[in-house]
Amino acid sequence: QVQLVQSGAAVKKPGSSVKISCQASGGSLGYYGFTWVRQAPGQGLEWMGRVFPKFNVKSYAQKFKGRVTFTSDESATTVTVELSGLTSDDTAVYYCARDRLSEDNVFELWGQGTLVTVSS
Amino acid sequence: DIVMTQSPDTLAVSLGERATINCKSSQSIFSNNMNYLAWYQQKPGLPPRLLIYWASTRQSGVPDRFSGGGSGTDFTLTISGLQAEDVAVYYCQQFHSTPPITFGQGTRLEIK
Repeated sequence: QVQLVQSGAAVKKPGSSVKISCQASGGSLGYYGFTWVRQAPGQGLEWMGRVFPKFNVKSYAQKFKGRVTFTSDESATTVTVELSGLTSDDTAVYYCARDRLSEDNVFELWGQGTLVTVSS
Repeated sequence: DIVMTQSPDTLAVSLGERATINCKSSQSIFSNNMNYLAWYQQKPGLPPRLLIYWASTRQSGVPDRFSGGGSGTDFTLTISGLQAEDVAVYYCQQFHSTPPITFGQGTRLEIK
């Protein structure tokens, strides 16, 4: 049974960067797309973008373009998001999610979430 | 971008009664004879859980008291016979016109 296991919580200074990993424990990345979604405290779900590791295809939400980078490592069964230029507005729980079927954009499997706190 | 709007923002329903949550898309999300809509349930401190996709197909393991309906731009999630464990925030999501994927703002379901 594949599980998505994310890296631990982080506290960052404004202007710095954060890197969050998501490992497909018990399986491979396969032919699935992996999406990053964040949730600010008490708020809804915000799509950041996605990566399709097998073909190294990536798409980004317009508001994050230039500030976010998705990478993947098939040997480590890990996808990673890096967000730079952090502000307090980036304080949120960040989730990775895997498609139900290859590229269907329906999110069947979720990581446990990673809390990123941006504070001076 | 397709805007997803849910109503109401908060819903209070008695145990055993029916709860209905609405989701409206700013443009049709119907293509190829399918509606590109999913519903998720999120409980505090947990990631979202997929309930329904293609507007009405229940995910494996989801109780049959959860059902989805609608087409085009107007959709509903119905919980028949509300149970205490159904208290959560529910989100709709369109995956028709991507990027971006967009979610509704969420509906908080409470017990009356």
